[in-house]
Amino acid sequence: DVKVTQSSRYLVKRTGEKVFLECVQDMDHENMFWYRQDPGLGLRLIYFSYDVKMKEKGDIPEGYSVSREKKERFSLILESASTNQTSMYLCASRLGGLTYEQYFGPGTRLTVT
Amino acid sequence: AQKVTQAQTEISVVEKEDVTLDCVYETRDTTYYLFWYKQPPSGELVFLIRRNSFDEQNEISGRYSWNFQKSTSSFNFTITASQVVDSAVYFCALSESNNNDMRFGAGTRLTVKP
Repeated sequence: DVKVTQSSRYLVKRTGEKVFLECVQDMDHENMFWYRQDPGLGLRLIYFSYDVKMKEKGDIPEGYSVSREKKERFSLILESASTNQTSMYLCASRLGGLTYEQYFGPGTRLTVT
Repeated sequence: AQKVTQAQTEISVVEKEDVTLDCVYETRDTTYYLFWYKQPPSGELVFLIRRNSFDEQNEISGRYSWNFQKSTSSFNFTITASQVVDSAVYFCALSESNNNDMRFGAGTRLTVKP
């Protein structure tokens, strides 16, 4: 089974802090994704990566950056956390190509105070 | 632009009732893929089914069935004889051939009461 793990289930940070959310997958998937999930809005794509060191902006990249130095790891960075970034963050991976389903991690619920 | 609409925000049923979750999509592409995911209270989205635009055959898997109709741009999901364990948020999603990402609907929260 594909396993996608995220570094924290719950995280509380202060406004202005730099925040790192880590995601690791163990199935050699090419594509990795970061979403945020907010009530009534579903999942919105922040960034995705189709290969090592490659990244593309999703619908809501402002205030976020990403890093993919190794195939199995995809990091989401909040350079200066703000209260409107309080949300559930979901990481996903996919073998490659839109025909395949995405596999999701358990999510990180981030609260910025 | 692609768009997925799940008009039902919340549905509540009593155990053993049948329930249908609606999904309507918009796309100009002729090749696309539709998905359903389940998000139980634990939070992790679980893949349920994938359908490509060229396969309109309905699918049944145990108590779950899916009805894909291109004429109405719908991909509805029916749970027969619902159980408490079916309580979750269900998401419909769309991928187009010229996009790398997947577009999700807002989700439908299903509560099955004993």
